[in-house]
Amino acid sequence: DVKVTQSSRYLVKRTGEKVFLECVQDMDHENMFWYRQDPGLGLRLIYFSYDVKMKEKGDIPEGYSVSREKKERFSLILESASTNQTSMYLCASGPGQGLAKNIQYFGAGTRLSVL
Amino acid sequence: GENVEQHPSTLSVQEGDSAVIKCTYSDSASNYFPWYKQELGKRPQLIIDIRSNVGEKKDQRIAVTLNKTAKHFSLHITETQPEDSAVYFCAASTLNTDKLIFGTGTRLQVFP
Repeated sequence: DVKVTQSSRYLVKRTGEKVFLECVQDMDHENMFWYRQDPGLGLRLIYFSYDVKMKEKGDIPEGYSVSREKKERFSLILESASTNQTSMYLCASGPGQGLAKNIQYFGAGTRLSVL
Repeated sequence: GENVEQHPSTLSVQEGDSAVIKCTYSDSASNYFPWYKQELGKRPQLIIDIRSNVGEKKDQRIAVTLNKTAKHFSLHITETQPEDSAVYFCAASTLNTDKLIFGTGTRLQVFP
């Protein structure tokens, strides 16, 4: 079974704080993704990474950055958290090759509240 | 870029009835269409997917159909059960990218 683990289920931070959301996968997947989930807006891609130290902006990258120093770990960074970044954050990983290249496996999510 | 629209946003059915969720996509180069189910408080999980070289795929009570000409695909759930209650997301992708573009989700409620 693919395991995608997000470090926190719930997080409360203050406006202006630097926030790190961590994600680890154990399947040696090439690809890792960060999404934001808001009611009525579905899953919106923030950033994705297709290899160590490689990243690509998604649809809503403003206010976020990412880091992938090791293949199994993908971090989402909010440099200066704002109240409009209060949301559910979902990490996903995928093989990126072979017949199942597009399949994504999700973590349980981190519900972030910025006060 | 690709855009995926999903309807309806909410759907209520009686147990045993069928449920249909529809999605349309904009990029004719899209060739992979997965459906994810997210139960309350849980992670999205892939339940079925279809590639553009087939028109229909079934797995027990769920099926997906694809109309490439009209650029739409649908999820069909027959003999619905209360445990089918969840949010369902469709998505689309093309061969030259590993990204999925998701629809906005459909909240399905199955009443006993």
